[in-house]
Amino acid sequence: AIQMTQSPSSLSASVGDRVTITCRASQGIRSELAWYQQKPGRAPKLLIYGASSLQSGVPSRFSGSGSGTDFSLTISSLQPEDFATYYCLQDFKYPRTFGHGTKVDVK
Amino acid sequence: EVSLVESGGGLVQPGGSLRLSCAASGFTLSDYWMTWVRQAPGKGLEWVANIRKDGSLKHYVDSVEGRFTVSRDNAKNSLYLQINSLRAEDSAVYYCSRDFSPEGYCGGTPCYYDAFDVWGQGTMVTVSS
Repeated sequence: AIQMTQSPSSLSASVGDRVTITCRASQGIRSELAWYQQKPGRAPKLLIYGASSLQSGVPSRFSGSGSGTDFSLTISSLQPEDFATYYCLQDFKYPRTFGHGTKVDVK
Repeated sequence: EVSLVESGGGLVQPGGSLRLSCAASGFTLSDYWMTWVRQAPGKGLEWVANIRKDGSLKHYVDSVEGRFTVSRDNAKNSLYLQINSLRAEDSAVYYCSRDFSPEGYCGGTPCYYDAFDVWGQGTMVTVSS
């Protein structure tokens, strides 16, 4: 199975900060990567698909980039509602695999 | 309103079985691939299985292959996950999700992405004696 390595596993940030989370695939996955946000006790929420396409209704402060093996999710100006855990997911090959998650908390 | 509602979770002994259900409303189930994702307590997300729109193709993560079976009844707007030979490590919240399969370009050729845009609230499965 393709392994997805996210970094960092956690980070502390303040409102207004620019935050970047990275995800590295163990083999090339073209642009077949999505990003999800999850808050405690809630189902995940789709943010980005196809590495860089913003899901409808998601604020434009979220952006995704990358292709091949290296990807990133950037929040341009962190808002209070963005404190959550973020996961990448590769959809290049079965079984689909998630990264281990990046928890963004208050500094 | 578009929604998914899971049910069927509970406490089961090791080796036991459960059938999870996911009721879809507000959209036509037969238009979408559907996926099960699970999350063990305090852990990350794990993709479990998916099923094609008409039920003719299914995929599983290796750890559940041969023990779990995903199925659907489009006429009843329902998705199912039959889970057998349960182990302690199967304890998790199980989510069903809708894949709206947006089109894109993968390596320069047209493709469809997985994109899970609607999720249920999850149903908890606890495997313990």
